[in-house]
Amino acid sequence: DVKVTQSSRYLVKRTGEKVFLECVQDMDHENMFWYRQDPGLGLRLIYFSYDVKMKEKGDIPEGYSVSREKKERFSLILESASTNQTSMYLCASIPGPSSYEQYFGPGTRLTVT
Amino acid sequence: SQQGEEDPQALSIQEGENATMNCSYKTSINNLQWYRQNSGRGLVHLILIRSNEREKHSGRLRVTLDTSKKSSSLLITASRAADTASYFCATDANTGNQFYFGTGTSLTVIP
Repeated sequence: DVKVTQSSRYLVKRTGEKVFLECVQDMDHENMFWYRQDPGLGLRLIYFSYDVKMKEKGDIPEGYSVSREKKERFSLILESASTNQTSMYLCASIPGPSSYEQYFGPGTRLTVT
Repeated sequence: SQQGEEDPQALSIQEGENATMNCSYKTSINNLQWYRQNSGRGLVHLILIRSNEREKHSGRLRVTLDTSKKSSSLLITASRAADTASYFCATDANTGNQFYFGTGTSLTVIP
């Protein structure tokens, strides 16, 4: 079974802190994604990556950056956390460009105070 | 935005009844997928239907796709309490590996 893990289930940070959310998949998937999920808004794509060191902006990249130094790991970085970044963050991966079924991690519920 | 919308936003039924939820989207697609999310957890893939298919079955799930109306429906037959979850549709919008999720339907199955 594909396993996608996220570094924390719950995280509380203060405004202005730099926050790292990490995602690791163990099935050699090429593409990885970061979403945020908010009530009434569904899932919105922040960034995705189709290869090591490659990244593409999604619909809401402002205030976020990403890093993919190794194929299995995709990190989401909040350079200076703000209260409007309080949300559920979900990581997902797919095997490659001709694949569609996404495998999701359990999510990180981030609260910024 | 390509983001889809599910309808209804919330649905409550008795165990054993059927549950139907709908998804509408805005642009042409290669395929449409349905996912389930249990409370506070990640999403789990349920079923994929391609744009040239009209209906697909998987166990108690039946999905239909009407590309002329840009809509899809998910039917869960003989519902169980364990089906209580949120259900999301996702499309790829012919843009490669970027996926657009709807806002979700929250299903409650009462034992």
